[in-house]
Amino acid sequence: AQTVTQSQPEMSVQEAETVTLSCTYDTSESDYYLFWYKQPPSRQMILVIRQEAYKQQNATENRFSVNFQKAAKSFSLKISDSQLGDAAMYFCALTPGYGNKLVFGAGTILRVKS
Amino acid sequence: GAVVSQHPSRVICKSGTSVKIECRSLDFQATTMFWYRQFPKQSLMLMATSNEGSKATYEQGVEKDKFLINHASLTLSTLTVTSAHPEDSSFYICSARVGTSFNEQFFGPGTRLTVL
Repeated sequence: AQTVTQSQPEMSVQEAETVTLSCTYDTSESDYYLFWYKQPPSRQMILVIRQEAYKQQNATENRFSVNFQKAAKSFSLKISDSQLGDAAMYFCALTPGYGNKLVFGAGTILRVKS
Repeated sequence: GAVVSQHPSRVICKSGTSVKIECRSLDFQATTMFWYRQFPKQSLMLMATSNEGSKATYEQGVEKDKFLINHASLTLSTLTVTSAHPEDSSFYICSARVGTSFNEQFFGPGTRLTVL
């Protein structure tokens, strides 16, 4: 079975500060993909960043970066220089194997304070 | 590119009626589409996986006769909620995947269903 765990139901960050959202996962597959999705109040799911498990280098997309610890099965998201528009629900997700379905975590609500 | 649309965005219906939700990939061909259900402040729950030209694969606990899925073309999948009841009220989201060469799913904007 594949599982994704997000242990932080809610997080808050001051505008311009940095915040890290935690995610751990479990899979028996050797090849898999990890994703962070953002769901703002509009509820449109937006891909923030993705990581292929076979790549050792941590993925980075502008202000968003991940800390991928394969042995620990950990995949945290760091948001630098937080902006008001970053406020949303963030989901960590896993696709085990290749071409399979997404397994989502429970989500973390991120609040950004001005 | 990679835009997925859903129609309608909101629908209100009476208990006992059926409702059809359309999911379209606008600028790519989607061999696989997924249907999710999401309750307020909760995660997305996969209901079924739909492959073009074949029967959908339903997740455990999802009634296939209640939630009819059709994927008749590479750009269109439909979800029909049959004999809807108030407990079917939810937010339904579809996603589409481009072939099997890449694992990213592109999500539609969702449909809010309210059953009175």
